[in-house]
Amino acid sequence: ILNVEQSPQSLHVQEGDSTNFTCSFPSSNFYALHWYRWETAKSPEALFVMTLNGDEKKKGRISATLNTKEGYSYLYIKGSQPEDSATYLCAFLGGTASKLTFGTGTRLQVTL
Amino acid sequence: KAGVTQTPRYLIKTRGQQVTLSCSPISGHRSVSWYQQTPGQGLQFLFEYFSETQRNKGNFPGRFSGRQFSNSRSEMNVSTLELGDSALYLCASSLEGQSTGELFFGEGSRLTVL
Repeated sequence: ILNVEQSPQSLHVQEGDSTNFTCSFPSSNFYALHWYRWETAKSPEALFVMTLNGDEKKKGRISATLNTKEGYSYLYIKGSQPEDSATYLCAFLGGTASKLTFGTGTRLQVTL
Repeated sequence: KAGVTQTPRYLIKTRGQQVTLSCSPISGHRSVSWYQQTPGQGLQFLFEYFSETQRNKGNFPGRFSGRQFSNSRSEMNVSTLELGDSALYLCASSLEGQSTGELFFGEGSRLTVL
C-alpha cells in the first residue's frame, strides 16, 4: 500500500501571509506528482503535474517544488488571499503509472 | 468547452439496493477514472477506463463495477449497497490517461445509503 502523506492537515492564516504545505511520497519508483486545489462545493482543479527531480512550477502566487530522491514536494502560496481557501491535494503516480494515490489533503482557510 | 458532467448529483438509497452513476467526460478525452471519497480518507481509486476497456482497478470489492461506452461516457454501478458505501463519487477525465497529465474532475455524485 502506497503511503502519501500531507501536512499539516489544516491551516488557518491571515490575508497577506505566505504559507507552505508538504506532500511526502515513496522515494522509489517515481513517475509523477500532481497537485490539485479543491474548493468547497466545486470540483478538484489541477495546479501542477511534476515529473522531474528538482522541478519548480509556478502559477501566479502559487508555486511548487519537487524532490524525488527524498520523496517530498512543497506547495507555497505567497500573500494568501481569502479566495485561496480550499483543500490542497497531492497525488503520487508510481513507476507503473497505473493509478494515482492521493493524500488526504491540507485544508487552508484564509481570513481577512 | 464543457467540463466533466456527473449525474445524479445527489441520491439516497437503502441497504441492499443498487445504484448507477454516470459521467460524461470532456469532449475528446478518452480516459475516465472513478474515485471514492469518504470522511477522513483521501480520494480512493476505483477504476480507470480507456477506449471502452478497464485499464486499471483499485482495491474495491466486486460489488463495484463500471463500463465505458464508445462515446467515452462512463457509468459505475454499486450493487447490494452497504452503509459504508455512503460517499462522494468523483469521476475524472483526461486525454490519454493518468500517466499523461492532469485530470479534469466532475463535481461528484453524493450517495447516501440508509
